[in-house]
Amino acid sequence: KNQVEQSPQSLIILEGKNCTLQCNYTVSPFSNLRWYKQDTGRGPVSLTIMTFSENTKSNGRYTATLDADTKQSSLHITASQLSDSASYICVVSAKTGANNLFFGTGTRLTVIP
Amino acid sequence: SAVISQKPSRDICQRGTSLTIQCQVDSQVTMMFWYRQQPGQSLTLIATANQGSEATYESGFVIDKFPISRPNLTFSTLTVSNMSPEDSSIYLCSVVHDANTGELFFGEGSRLTVL
Repeated sequence: KNQVEQSPQSLIILEGKNCTLQCNYTVSPFSNLRWYKQDTGRGPVSLTIMTFSENTKSNGRYTATLDADTKQSSLHITASQLSDSASYICVVSAKTGANNLFFGTGTRLTVIP
Repeated sequence: SAVISQKPSRDICQRGTSLTIQCQVDSQVTMMFWYRQQPGQSLTLIATANQGSEATYESGFVIDKFPISRPNLTFSTLTVSNMSPEDSSIYLCSVVHDANTGELFFGEGSRLTVL
């Protein structure tokens, strides 16, 4: 069964600290993996996309990693800011299937001053 | 990228009534989707809105409950019919602007509360 699991479910960190969010998936055949940021009351916005051959990709203070062998991805946020408070959703695409996107339930990150 | 406008952004509705959500895209897109995001849950695909033909619904969603229109390549509506409190959710319009990247762009969402 194709599934995407994220951990932790929620996280509270101090401003300026780093944090790492986890995504494990069982989606097969794998096409790509995206991390989305969803601010409260807004739609999700794409942060990064990882394909099978990519191990690391950065977007400013966000760095995503992918281990296609263990089917794990992480999103590392460096020097967190209050504006990083949001839900971070891991979305995995399969190569086949009419509905080929699988969404994690997200990690709710709260950055406090 | 694509800019997607949804309205209403939020509404409070009475049980048994229906509400239509509109989705306007600033460019022509082939693939347009409607998602539901219930509290604390991941996004669930309701249907793919097809221009000029009936929408394609996912398992658990039916046209009578969620009729969808797609009159052209920039606009779609989703109606939530005969609402019950279980329909309280965020409804999101989404498009794929570039089939090469497959990146999904989302609207701001419509938060429905059914009393």
